[in-house]
Amino acid sequence: DGGITQSPKYLFRKEGQNVTLSCEQNLNHDAMYWYRQDPGQGLRLIYYSQIVNDFQKGDIAEGYSVSREKKESFPLTVTSAQKNPTAFYLCASSHNQGSTEAFFGQGTRLTVV
Amino acid sequence: AQSVAQPEDQVNVAEGNPLTVKCTYSVSGNPYLFWYVQYPNRGLQFLLKYITGDNLVKGSYGFEAEFNKSQTSFHLKKPSALVSDSALYFCAVRDSSNYQLIWGAGTKLIIKP
Repeated sequence: DGGITQSPKYLFRKEGQNVTLSCEQNLNHDAMYWYRQDPGQGLRLIYYSQIVNDFQKGDIAEGYSVSREKKESFPLTVTSAQKNPTAFYLCASSHNQGSTEAFFGQGTRLTVV
Repeated sequence: AQSVAQPEDQVNVAEGNPLTVKCTYSVSGNPYLFWYVQYPNRGLQFLLKYITGDNLVKGSYGFEAEFNKSQTSFHLKKPSALVSDSALYFCAVRDSSNYQLIWGAGTKLIIKP
């Protein structure tokens, strides 16, 4: 089945720890995105990548890092510098930017304990 | 500034009645507009998009949306609501400067039996 897979579904982190969220797609899409979703707010863009080995900061990149070593994979690291990391994180991909619809993973809910 | 507004946090509709979820936008140039739906603790699913052409766009699950250039609106509609339509609905518009999506805050749609 083609699709986009995020793991884990739930993640707990202690304060001061870095954690990495996985995102894999087998849709042969060039563009991939990470969003953060908080209650009552729309999606906020953290990072996006248009092509392998290239990525751009979104609106709320501080405290996050990404890599795009393979077309299929776009992992997100939430670092200890992110002061309020508890949120629902969504990964998405699209064939190209802007004019085509994005496909979303099922999300990872990160909680700081 | 480019933006999307969903003026209603929540819309309540009786099953079988028509529904409308409102969206207005502000963007430079021709708008690329999208509607997505999100069920609890899940990723977003694409419903429909307007790029060009007919102002009435038909999408998944019986939904449609009407593009109105003079009113800068892109309201989502369905002639007869189902209880299973209850979900969170997001409108988005493509940012003409960087081709990323600008998201509305979402509207919670509740369909009562």
